[in-house]
Amino acid sequence: KAGVTQTPRYLIKTRGQQVTLSCSPISGHRSVSWYQQTPGQGLQFLFEYFSETQRNKGNFPGRFSGRQFSNSRSEMNVSTLELGDSALYLCASSFAGPSYGNTIYFGEGSWLTVV
Amino acid sequence: GIQVEQSPPDLILQEGANSTLRCNFSDSVNNLQWFHQNPWGQLINLFYIPSGTKQNGRLSATTVATERYSLLYISSSQTTDSGVYFCAVAERDDTGFQKLVFGTGTRLLVSP
Repeated sequence: KAGVTQTPRYLIKTRGQQVTLSCSPISGHRSVSWYQQTPGQGLQFLFEYFSETQRNKGNFPGRFSGRQFSNSRSEMNVSTLELGDSALYLCASSFAGPSYGNTIYFGEGSWLTVV
Repeated sequence: GIQVEQSPPDLILQEGANSTLRCNFSDSVNNLQWFHQNPWGQLINLFYIPSGTKQNGRLSATTVATERYSLLYISSSQTTDSGVYFCAVAERDDTGFQKLVFGTGTRLLVSP
């Protein structure tokens, strides 16, 4: 079956702009989590969605937001981009989420560069 | 929050060599997973192993939950094993739900 699909794969934005990233989970998976990876901070949890509800949120400012649709596809949005938002954004898909001991599957990520 | 430490941070091997990667965590967990991040950035799930031992080809993993550590063994390493290996544990927060907390990773380079 198809894996986790993230779009776009690469993008360059200017400071102050906003960006929307998309994630299509594995068919049948209802939990989608987002992570930010930077060389300095490593992999950090952004938020988790399950059945269109945000179930969990990491320590990121309100500029980072997300949502999940009825087909489990998820989007995350970053507004008023800052240089420090340059990172690899990873989407993770699982049947019910880390809380239930599920294996987690990641997409290839979206590389965001803010200039 | 829970602390996850991995060692060694960097590892260089000759093709065919064996290696052991370690993951220590500061609190009891019921969800531990090992991932391999390839050069293109994708994280590949290797094992879901909250306790016990599992094997998959040349890779195997052991988690001793009572002593708060997990080991990943790579035997007869190949150049395609190069990349960064992460362990991640699930931490419960105020919402009552869990999130994955990642270690800092072990960067492995296997030379021909």
